[in-house]
Amino acid sequence: IQLTQSPSSLSASVGDRVTITCRASQGISSYLAWYQQKPGKAPKLLIYAASTLQSGVPSRFSGSGSGTDFTLTITSLQPEDFATYYCQQLNSYPRTFGGGTKVEIK
Amino acid sequence: QVQLQQWGAGLLKPSETLSLTCAVYGGSFSGYHWSWIRQPPGKGLEWIGEIDHKGNTNYNSSLKSRVTISLDTSNNQFSLNVTSVTAADTAVYYCARGVRGGYDFWYFDLWGRGTLVTVSS
Repeated sequence: IQLTQSPSSLSASVGDRVTITCRASQGISSYLAWYQQKPGKAPKLLIYAASTLQSGVPSRFSGSGSGTDFTLTITSLQPEDFATYYCQQLNSYPRTFGGGTKVEIK
Repeated sequence: QVQLQQWGAGLLKPSETLSLTCAVYGGSFSGYHWSWIRQPPGKGLEWIGEIDHKGNTNYNSSLKSRVTISLDTSNNQFSLNVTSVTAADTAVYYCARGVRGGYDFWYFDLWGRGTLVTVSS
């Protein structure tokens, strides 16, 4: 299953609302997770089951969608949110990741 | 607090075998799936494969013929071997814990720090 993220990069300011989309090549129900990765660090789980917030993750992060179209939203971008975000499908093998969306400072 | 600590050779020559090990400290080994993921420099994430506590494996077909994931339950460790490496195998390799949530929703909640493996003659 291929995952296509858009945009591949974006520039935003602190306080902005940011939306990242992930489209699956076939239906995956809600078997989707979102990760945040900062340079030189391992990915960090943000959301699983498409919309369930991982413990300890700020509530400004939210996820939605099912089937083939999914969205990660950051309601008020903070300085520590500048990073690359990946979606991952866990509906079937092989587990696959989207190509990533780099969120940069405007 | 559960931690994953990984180690292995960081510089290989073409045709050699990549070997990495990931140890689970402070938590149970059973009931989870243990994965390896890699990330070439400046690129995205690629899932390599996984093993459960019973030794059942799943591999990405893109590497399947060259990959073996094994476990050592007595030491709470699992390992990755990739044979016949080339420059295309140069990447940061991560180990990660796969958790099954409610309704069979899996996710990777714990990751190792990553090991850079460079293949160069």
